[in-house]
This record gives sequence, structure tokens and C-alpha cells, in this order.
Amino acid sequence: GAVVSQHPSRVICKSGTSVKIECRSLDFQATTMFWYRQFPKQSLMLMATSNEGSKATYEQGVEKDKFLINHASLTLSTLTVTSAHPEDSSFYICSAWTGSYEKLFFGSGTQLSVL
Amino acid sequence: AQSVTQLGSHVSVSEGALVLLRCNYSSSVPPYLFWYVQYPNQGLQLLLKYTSAATLVKGINGFEAEFKKSETSFHLTKPSAHMSDAAEYFCAVRSSGNTGKLIFGQGTTLQVKP
Repeated sequence: GAVVSQHPSRVICKSGTSVKIECRSLDFQATTMFWYRQFPKQSLMLMATSNEGSKATYEQGVEKDKFLINHASLTLSTLTVTSAHPEDSSFYICSAWTGSYEKLFFGSGTQLSVL
Repeated sequence: AQSVTQLGSHVSVSEGALVLLRCNYSSSVPPYLFWYVQYPNQGLQLLLKYTSAATLVKGINGFEAEFKKSETSFHLTKPSAHMSDAAEYFCAVRSSGNTGKLIFGQGTTLQVKP
């Protein structure tokens, strides 16, 4: 079946550094990818929607300069947390949409810890 | 706008007992509804989905859900709980348009006691 690979699964970084998270669709082309953020024991909050070759659409309250999203190809989207701070520590999950086939697949998530 | 509400953030059942996780939705258009399961530090796995076909939807691992328009509900059930069912469960509704954008409920933690 279709698989979405998200990497890394866990990252620890120092405050002020930038962290890049990759989301790849391994055997299908994803017309749209979504990035979610999840705090412990809470639900998934949509951060942004990215379409290949165009600028991401951010949800209200999400800082686009803080969370840079690039969707350069139909199989890869990246989320870069710039100048990370401890409050950015969270679980980040991506999902990939197949478009006309109407299938949605989730990555396994990335646990970000900022010290 | 679409939304879902999960009633009960924590549900505890004994092994072998009925599992019932509640979800109510609000939608201005016929909804597409989903149930996902999440194990600790993992992504989401689709249990089942309703896409306006049969109102009783069967999913994986013995789960099923019934769409009731009159009650705006989509509750998840399983006749007999297993220890391995202990996880976080999310109900979700597809946002308007054919985009794969989902709106999630608050989640329900299922605890299964031996």
C-alpha cells in the first residue's frame, strides 16, 4: 500500500537552531500535503496546506516565517522550524493527499524537542 | 464549516467488553467522516471512513461505526475489546472541498483493563 515516510522520527536541538522535517510519498504523487502539530494528549492542529510548486497556505495563528514549508516536487514536502525555541517542542505529523484517487496517508510523525 | 466533537476524553473498559467511542459532527454539506487510531509517538492509522454509501461502516481490527444523520453522530464500536486496542482515537471530518484536509476531534484515550 501507499506509504508516507517522515524523517527524522525524533530530533533534539538547541534553542536558536533550525530544524528541517521531510515528508515523502514513496509510491504515489501527492498533489497536496498537510502539516499538523500535536501537543501531548491533545488533538492534531492543522498548521498549513502545501501544494506542489506553489506557496503554502497557513492556518490562522501559524507564523509562516517561523514554519517554512516547501513542496518542491510531487513526492516531497519539507517543514523547517526556524530559530527553534522550547515552545516549539511538539509532535509534527504530515499527511499526503493523492488527489483524484481521494486517498490520504499519514507519516509516522516527528518528535521535536528544543532545549 | 465542519467540526467534530468527541464526547469523553478518556474511556476505560475491561478486556472483552464493548467499546463505544462517541463522535458528533457538524457540517453544512453531506460529511465525509473518519476514525483514526494513534499509538504512542506514531502517526495515524485509518480505521474506517464514511463517504455517503452504507451508513454502517466496517473497518479494520473489528471496529465499525454507524452514521446517523438524525443524531449527527458517527460513534465507533467494537464488540469485544483487546488489550492491543489501548490507544488514542480520533474522529475527523473532511473539510469542504475535495482536498484531503481533515478537521480532527479532541481525541479519546481508550484504556483496556485486564
